[in-house]
Amino acid sequence: QSALTQPASVSGSPGQSITISCTGTSSDIGGYNYVSWYQQHPGKGPKLLIYDVGSRPSGVSNRFSGSKSGDAASLTISGLQAEDEADYYCSSYTRSTAVVFGGGTRLTVL
Amino acid sequence: QVRLVQSGAEVKKPGASVRVSCKASGYIFTNHALHWVRQAPGQRLEWMGWINTGNGNTKYSQNFQGRVAITSDTSASTAYMELSSLRSEDTAVYYCARNGGSYGFDYWGQGTLVPVSS
Repeated sequence: QSALTQPASVSGSPGQSITISCTGTSSDIGGYNYVSWYQQHPGKGPKLLIYDVGSRPSGVSNRFSGSKSGDAASLTISGLQAEDEADYYCSSYTRSTAVVFGGGTRLTVL
Repeated sequence: QVRLVQSGAEVKKPGASVRVSCKASGYIFTNHALHWVRQAPGQRLEWMGWINTGNGNTKYSQNFQGRVAITSDTSASTAYMELSSLRSEDTAVYYCARNGGSYGFDYWGQGTLVPVSS
């Protein structure tokens, strides 16, 4: 099972909005509405930001939003803050083995 | 509150096996599946497998078929991940994570570092 495809890095200035893409296939993202997004700060464990494509767990800022179109999903962060600088991972349910992660995207806040 | 507490770091030699435990508290253990995810140094998250804690059914990533086994002890609210035939490429932090529903992992253990070196 190949990893989902994410850009290696993205950047933005404080207050701006950025979008991170996550591309899969019809066997994973395109076939199910089970896309999740995680934030991971250096040396820390992952934190769930989005599940079921666009739902946020309680306590997660509404600056984080998710969407999906076809075989691709996106995470948008609005009103960028310095604390958003981290690695971001998408994941999806997949028909073959159950779960697959993306390669990860490093967000730099300029 | 929900907590997943994992066993401590273990240094292993190539060819050996490692068993990592994950003790859950703060919720009904059998109501949520548990997944295992690993992260090699500087690398991406990699899903290894999961266990249905209600009935013990498991499913593993093809990347680990034959080398990984996930079990659980419902009386102890604890899940275990055993990885055998270790090689240097298995050096990683291993996490357990609770399935919050719809394959979103809402709670994670603190991670267990397993260096594999001769």
